[in-house]
Amino acid sequence: AIQMTQSPSSLSASVGDRVTITCRASQDIRNDLGWYQQKPGKAPKVLIYAASTLQSGVPSRFSGSGSGTDFTLTISSLQPEDFATYYCLQDDSYPLTFGGGTKVEIK
Amino acid sequence: EVQLVESGGGLVQPGGSLRLSCAVSGFTFSDHFMDWVRQAPGKGLEWVGRSRNRAKSYTTEYAASVKDRFTISRDDSKRSLYLQMNSLKTEDTAVYYCARSVAVAGSDALDIWGQGTVVTVSS
Repeated sequence: AIQMTQSPSSLSASVGDRVTITCRASQDIRNDLGWYQQKPGKAPKVLIYAASTLQSGVPSRFSGSGSGTDFTLTISSLQPEDFATYYCLQDDSYPLTFGGGTKVEIK
Repeated sequence: EVQLVESGGGLVQPGGSLRLSCAVSGFTFSDHFMDWVRQAPGKGLEWVGRSRNRAKSYTTEYAASVKDRFTISRDDSKRSLYLQMNSLKTEDTAVYYCARSVAVAGSDALDIWGQGTVVTVSS
């Protein structure tokens, strides 16, 4: 199975900060990667698919980049509602695999 | 309204069985691949498996951790997805989500999720 290594596992940031989360795949997954946001007690929500395509309704401060094995989720200016846990998910091959998650906390 | 509603969770003893359901409304269920994803208490997300649509012969895929114990099925006439879980282990304790998978830009996205149902495996 493809392993997805996400970093950091947690970070503290302030409102207005630029935040970057990375995901590394154990093998080439082309651009078959999505980013998901999960708030406590809630179901995940898709932010980005195909590595860089913004899901409809998601604010433009979220962006994704990368291909092959290295991917990045960037939040250009962190907002109070962005404090959550973020996961990457590869859909290049079965079984699909999630990264371990990045918890974004308030500094 | 587009909605996925899971049910069937509960407390079960190790070695027991449970069947989860996911009722769908607001979109053409039969067109879509559907997934199960779970989350153990305090842990990250784990993909469990997928049911493809009729066009793809309702074939399924599973995570290694559940293969040969869990079975995904669907009834398009009832707009429902199912997860039959057998030989349950304590490590299967989790919130189980169903999610719709859509193929977009050559990739898949889990774009609609249910609220989850809790499964607890304990003696």
